[in-house]
Amino acid sequence: DTGVSQDPRHKITKRGQNVTFRCDPISEHNRLYWYRQTLGQGPEFLTYFQNEAQLEKSRLLSDRFSAERPKGSFSTLEIQRTEQGDSAMYLCASSSRNLTGAYEQYFGPGTRLTVT
Amino acid sequence: AQSVTQPDIHITVSEGASLELRCNYSYGATPYLFWYVQSPGQGLQLLLKYFSGDTLVQGIKGFEAEFKRSQSSFNLRKPSVHWSDAAEYFCAVGFTGGGNKLTFGTGTQLKVEL
Repeated sequence: DTGVSQDPRHKITKRGQNVTFRCDPISEHNRLYWYRQTLGQGPEFLTYFQNEAQLEKSRLLSDRFSAERPKGSFSTLEIQRTEQGDSAMYLCASSSRNLTGAYEQYFGPGTRLTVT
Repeated sequence: AQSVTQPDIHITVSEGASLELRCNYSYGATPYLFWYVQSPGQGLQLLLKYFSGDTLVQGIKGFEAEFKRSQSSFNLRKPSVHWSDAAEYFCAVGFTGGGNKLTFGTGTQLKVEL
C-alpha cells in the first residue's frame, strides 16, 4: 500500500467555478477525514466518514461544500461557486482503530487550491 | 472545546544541537496526542503518538516526546538535530468522543543552521 493519495495536487480556478477533489485512503482504513490548512496555520477539521456514513461536519463547512464517500472507499470534496477565501491546502487523512481503541491518522499530500 | 498551543512560531538551532518544541493542550480528560511534521507543499507525516501508558514515547527519525499531565504538555525532543529536520512541526490532540478528529496547534517552523 502506498498510503493516502489525493488528486489533483494543485488546482487553480476562477472565482465562481466549481471544483472537486478526490482522496483515496489506505485500503483497510474505515475512517476518512478532510481538513483545510491556510497559510501559516495548522490544519482545521472539516468532516469525517466512517465507511460511507458522514458522521460529523464542521461549522467551517458551508453549504457550498459537499463531501461524499459513496462506497466507503475513496471520497470526493466538492466546492461550489468558489471564493477567494477558499484558497487553501485541502488535506485528507485515513485511519482505523488500533489496539487501544484510538485512531491514528495518516495524511495524504494534499490538494493546493488557488482561487483567482 | 479542546485547544492546542505551540508558543514558539519559529525556532533556529545549529546542526548537532538538541531540540525541544513545546506543546500545551487544553482538555478536560487525557486526550490522544500527536506530533506531525510537514515539509513545504507537502502533507503531514506522523512522527509519534501518545494514547496511554508510558509517558515517554519514541517516534521516527530519532524524535521523542514526553506527556506531562500536570503541565498539560507534550513536548517534542531530539538530542541532535540534522539539517534535514528543517520543516514545520505540528502538535495535535484528539479524543474518542469527538470522533478522533484532530485539533492542531499553529505549528513551529524549525530552521537548522549548518
